[in-house]
Amino acid sequence: QLQLQESGPGLVKPSETLSLTCTVSGGSISSSSYYWGWIRQPPGKGLEWIGSIYYSGSTYYNPSLKSRVTISVDTSKNQFSLKLSSVTAADTAVYYCARLLRAAGPVDYWGQGTLVTVSS
Amino acid sequence: DIQMTQSPSSLSASVGDRVTITCRASQGISNYLAWYQQKPGKVPKLLIYAASTLQSGVPSRFSGSGSGTDFTLTISSLQPEDVATYYCQKYNSAPGTFGPGTKVDIK
Repeated sequence: QLQLQESGPGLVKPSETLSLTCTVSGGSISSSSYYWGWIRQPPGKGLEWIGSIYYSGSTYYNPSLKSRVTISVDTSKNQFSLKLSSVTAADTAVYYCARLLRAAGPVDYWGQGTLVTVSS
Repeated sequence: DIQMTQSPSSLSASVGDRVTITCRASQGISNYLAWYQQKPGKVPKLLIYAASTLQSGVPSRFSGSGSGTDFTLTISSLQPEDVATYYCQKYNSAPGTFGPGTKVDIK
């Protein structure tokens, strides 16, 4: 059974960089059939697609975040990562890592999510 | 970017009722449309993709239809366990924008 697990700091200071890693188990991140991505959900609000990556390293980003986002993949560790720079309180959210059937979706497997709070 | 809207934003219905949620894209997206269910405090779950294809394990009371810009999610007979927020998502190209959600509860 495929499992995805987010890891990283739960508290980030304003203007700093948010860094999260997703570890994939029960399947290979190098599969040619899937993409791997990040989606976030501010408390009490809806879902926002952040971006995705293919095992080869091709990336796809939300234009609204593109200047601040970097998604990378480490196939040797079966992991992919998210970096979001210059964070503000508006970036406070539950961050989900996910498996996508295409570059933009749909998402058939989700991590449990991790709450990241931006506060000094 | 293509914008996604949903209506209604919330609804209350009785057990056994037929429930319909509408999702509209600001431009045509063919059938690249997915529906998700998110129960309170839980991770979203994929219900339908390609506008009308039921994800494995999803009850048959859920169905989807539409193409182009207008799509619907139908619950043929609402059950107590269907209380959740439902999101549509377009995925023809990045970004994979989600709709704002429709909250469904029991009357």
